[in-house]
Amino acid sequence: KNQVEQSPQSLIILEGKNCTLQCNYTVSPFSNLRWYKQDTGRGPVSLTIMTFSENTKSNGRYTATLDADTKQSSLHITASQLSDSASYICVAGVNGSSYDKVIFGPGTSLSVIP
Amino acid sequence: DTAVSQTPKYLVTQMGNDKSIKCEQNLGHDTMYWYKQDSKKFLKIMFSYNNKELIINETVPNRFSPKSPDKAHLNLHINSLELGDSAVYFCASSHSAGGLNKETQYFGPGTRLLVL
Repeated sequence: KNQVEQSPQSLIILEGKNCTLQCNYTVSPFSNLRWYKQDTGRGPVSLTIMTFSENTKSNGRYTATLDADTKQSSLHITASQLSDSASYICVAGVNGSSYDKVIFGPGTSLSVIP
Repeated sequence: DTAVSQTPKYLVTQMGNDKSIKCEQNLGHDTMYWYKQDSKKFLKIMFSYNNKELIINETVPNRFSPKSPDKAHLNLHINSLELGDSAVYFCASSHSAGGLNKETQYFGPGTRLLVL
């Protein structure tokens, strides 16, 4: 069964600190791994996308890593800001026979406090 | 200058009613999508249209009927609403139908549907 799990479910950190969010996926055949940021009351916004041959991808203070062997990904946020408070969603892409699929994780809710 | 817009933002209605949610994108994209985000926050694809043609139709009750009058619009009509339809519905668009997992999708702000 295609599945994406994320941990922790929620996280509270102080402004300026770093944090790392985890994602484990069980999908086949795997195509790519994407991280989204979803602000409260808004739609998700793509942060990074990595294929199985890529180990890391950065977007400003966000750095995603991918280990296709262990089927794990992480999103590292450096020097957190209050505006980083959001839900971060890991999404695994699956190559399909008729059409491709995307499997969304439940998200990690991050709160950055002053 | 909103890229993907949805109306209404909130929708509260009684069980059994019929309702529509509208979506418009001004990005010039060829492909549009409808997603449902349930209470556990999982997003699931429902439908996708490419240039007004249905290309993805996940296992969704036939009470849900998408309509695309042109490639900039994808509306969602729901008949005989049920309690379980309560969720946030997101519209999205992408440049082309190059693959659901390959194209970057741009999401609208969501429509929060509550069925009483």
